[in-house]
Amino acid sequence: GAVVSQHPSWVICKSGTSVKIECRSLDFQATTMFWYRQFPKQSLMLMATSNEGSKATYEQGVEKDKFLINHASLTLSTLTVTSAHPEDSSFYICSASWTGRFIQYFGAGTRLSVL
Amino acid sequence: GQQLNQSPQSMFIQEGEDVSMNCTSSSIFNTWLWYKQDPGEGPVLLIALYKAGELTSNGRLTAQFGITRKDSFLNISASIPSDVGIYFCAGLLVGGSQGNLIFGKGTKLSVKP
Repeated sequence: GAVVSQHPSWVICKSGTSVKIECRSLDFQATTMFWYRQFPKQSLMLMATSNEGSKATYEQGVEKDKFLINHASLTLSTLTVTSAHPEDSSFYICSASWTGRFIQYFGAGTRLSVL
Repeated sequence: GQQLNQSPQSMFIQEGEDVSMNCTSSSIFNTWLWYKQDPGEGPVLLIALYKAGELTSNGRLTAQFGITRKDSFLNISASIPSDVGIYFCAGLLVGGSQGNLIFGKGTKLSVKP
């Protein structure tokens, strides 16, 4: 149980374009979803937290207008990287949890390469 | 911000050996989690700890929630090649943002057959 699916697993895009990453909880209702960014050989850096039906809460230093997060249902959250630039290239990982249970279950991650 | 000190940073061991890694903090946590991450994948939950002093096993893995609530350790017995990966501790702070975990920097484990 507690499976989180993330799609796509790998995406290459041109500079200036936008990319959407989907995160789905397959067998539970995710009241809270999290988006992380991970640089090579480093730990996970929390970008934002989203509760279903509410605006996402962004961590300090994360641009809200660049990283658009939508959590429209209890099973789906999306991260859109707008006007992507090469410095946005990274490994993005989502996770999900449900009310009262603070364990986060992670997706497999999305490798974004911006040319 | 809050930090978890995870050690060692990396380990290179022989197959069959036991492994021990730990996380410490100056802050008190009410939940400790241990994850394993394989290259190019998301972290997978190994063990969850909820009470001070709690000792929990999952196969060859054993983890404990420290009595002071400021530390946790993970032991792997009789390591095998598939244990290779990066192990992260994560904690939920007492009074912290609901659901927001603090992650250690990871322990990279390499196992020589």
